[in-house]
Amino acid sequence: GAGVSQSPRYKVTKRGQDVTLRCDPISSHATLYWYQQALGQGPEFLTYFNYEAQPDKSGLPSDRFSAERPEGSISTLTIQRTEQRDSAMYRCASSFGLAAETQYFGPGTRLLVL
Amino acid sequence: GESVGLHLPTLSVQEGDNSIINCAYSNSASDYFIWYKQESGKGPQFIIDIRSNMDKRQGQRVTVLLNKTVKHLSLQIAATQPGDSAVYFCAENSGGSNYKLTFGKGTLLTVNP
Repeated sequence: GAGVSQSPRYKVTKRGQDVTLRCDPISSHATLYWYQQALGQGPEFLTYFNYEAQPDKSGLPSDRFSAERPEGSISTLTIQRTEQRDSAMYRCASSFGLAAETQYFGPGTRLLVL
Repeated sequence: GESVGLHLPTLSVQEGDNSIINCAYSNSASDYFIWYKQESGKGPQFIIDIRSNMDKRQGQRVTVLLNKTVKHLSLQIAATQPGDSAVYFCAENSGGSNYKLTFGKGTLLTVNP
């Protein structure tokens, strides 16, 4: 597509529920990144994919967080048993390749856990 | 831990003036730096980048300066316009990483007409 898209744009859920966020990267981009952004802060790295491989998931806050990119294009980020502290903006980015390539960001999903 | 930070959280300028946004980084192994602009309700938008083998790079109305001696990065915007109003983040490739970016806290730039 023309840019990185994410859905839903907003998600309100109750504590304890599972949520799945979706990212559709720029079509020619091999590398996809997930970030968490708190209000007034810069994005913080969660994990990334190179095609379908997930070499680094060290930024995921807990084992309740998981991400997939089974066909090397669309990716999902799932948070199980959500907690209020999970409330944040979740941003996806993509780049053509690795080696410090420019990362292009999507509009994000605002998650609110009640 | 090592991090990227900004000296000024807010900056207010008059339309037509030049703006300078500063950033300090502490990881001397980082070798790629980026400035992003984030408007309200949108994702960060790439502005300009610079690699550590350079000390200056110019784009359209923007210039990035890198001082590796004091680990300082700055973004200069010439003839600032109301559309430049946004939060500006600097980011570094964490310690030379080829995928992980570490972002600073952000500076809010307000341009007064």
